Amino acid sequence: DQQVKQNSPSLSVQEGRISILNCDYTNSMFDYFLWYKKYPAEGPTFLISISSIKDKNEDGRFTVFLNKSAKHLSLHIVPSQPGDSAVYFCAAMWGAQKLVFGQGTRLTINP
Amino acid sequence: GAGVSQSPSNKVTEKGKDVELRCDPISGHTALYWYRQRLGQGLEFLIYFQGNSAPDKSGLPSDRFSAERTGESVSTLTIQRTQQEDSAVYLCASSLDTGVYGYTFGSGTRLTVV
Repeated sequence: DQQVKQNSPSLSVQEGRISILNCDYTNSMFDYFLWYKKYPAEGPTFLISISSIKDKNEDGRFTVFLNKSAKHLSLHIVPSQPGDSAVYFCAAMWGAQKLVFGQGTRLTINP
Repeated sequence: GAGVSQSPSNKVTEKGKDVELRCDPISGHTALYWYRQRLGQGLEFLIYFQGNSAPDKSGLPSDRFSAERTGESVSTLTIQRTQQEDSAVYLCASSLDTGVYGYTFGSGTRLTVV
């Protein structure tokens, strides 16, 4: 039962352009959503989050959008930089319990 | 410590042997989580601790898996009679409290069962 889904295993974007990573969820009880970034041989690191009462949160080059009616969220990175190349995980929680993660999307930024 | 520390970083074991994985959370973090990531897959929840109690063990795959935590400190994940399908990176994370602060992850233990 995959409650959080990232349907694109990989994404390739040219440096300087916008990267858009997508995530869908099935559990309407989720009230908080987070994005994590993971480099090889390292643990995931927290990137940005959004509460279900908001539809947008911005932090520098990173913006997360939440569409509750569609049960969809996305992470926008603009402009994309080579150091953004990593695996990105979408995660969700409800009632301050455990995080449920998606399968991840491998982002490659091409110079 | 400054971050979440996991040991060993790599472990190769023979099928059928027991292994013990260790996690040292950030000092003061009351919540501690274990996840695993099998090759090419996402992060799979195993168990979480609030203090030294485990309110949610629902992700433990079988009774060969167990975990304990001493107070609000070190946790150990034990896998008995390891099988090849147990091969994965086991990740530990801690947070100030269960909630929306996000987790701080360790670098993981890569377990290979041969």
